[in-house]
Amino acid sequence: EDQVTQSPEALRLQEGESSSLNCSYTVSGLRGLFWYRQDPGKGPEFLFTLYSAGEEKEKERLKATLTKKESFLHITAPKPEDSATYLCAVQANDYKLSFGAGTTVTVRA
Amino acid sequence: GAVVSQHPSWVICKSGTSVKIECRSLDFQATTMFWYRQFPKQSLMLMATSNEGSKATYEQGVEKDKFLINHASLTLSTLTVTSAHPEDSSFYICSASGTSGGASGEQFFGPGTRLTVL
Repeated sequence: EDQVTQSPEALRLQEGESSSLNCSYTVSGLRGLFWYRQDPGKGPEFLFTLYSAGEEKEKERLKATLTKKESFLHITAPKPEDSATYLCAVQANDYKLSFGAGTTVTVRA
Repeated sequence: GAVVSQHPSWVICKSGTSVKIECRSLDFQATTMFWYRQFPKQSLMLMATSNEGSKATYEQGVEKDKFLINHASLTLSTLTVTSAHPEDSSFYICSASGTSGGASGEQFFGPGTRLTVL
């Protein structure tokens, strides 16, 4: 069974204080690892897809990396608008997504 | 591109009634649509997968007679919660995957529907 574990559950940061979120996974046949951002009461918003170990992707203050067992989402110099729940999901060969429980990030001004 | 809409965005109903939620892909053809539910402070749990023109495949523990899914066209899927009860209250989210030009297998999510059963 595919498993995705995210840590920490919650992260409180001061504006400008960089940090990293972790996503560890076990999956039979990884097609891709996805990062999403979810604001309260809304659907997930796509951020990144990573396909192979060693791959990195960046978007504004966010950078995602992937190894064979985990992925990290680095937030550099966060701003209050980066406050959200960040979800990690793995996609196996059946194209289904298995989600982690998410990390809720709060950035204080 | 790759926009998915849901209607309604929220609904309140009485126990025992049925509720239909629509999921539409606005600018691409969705060969596959997925339905998830999310309880407060929990992650998304896949309920079922539907391919256009065929019966939905339900995840273990999801009652197919209670959660009726129809994927009649490449742009529309519906989820009907039959004889709803308070424990069915949740946030229901759909996603769509298809010929959007995005990465292979990428799913695009709708904004979600908040169902409250009194």
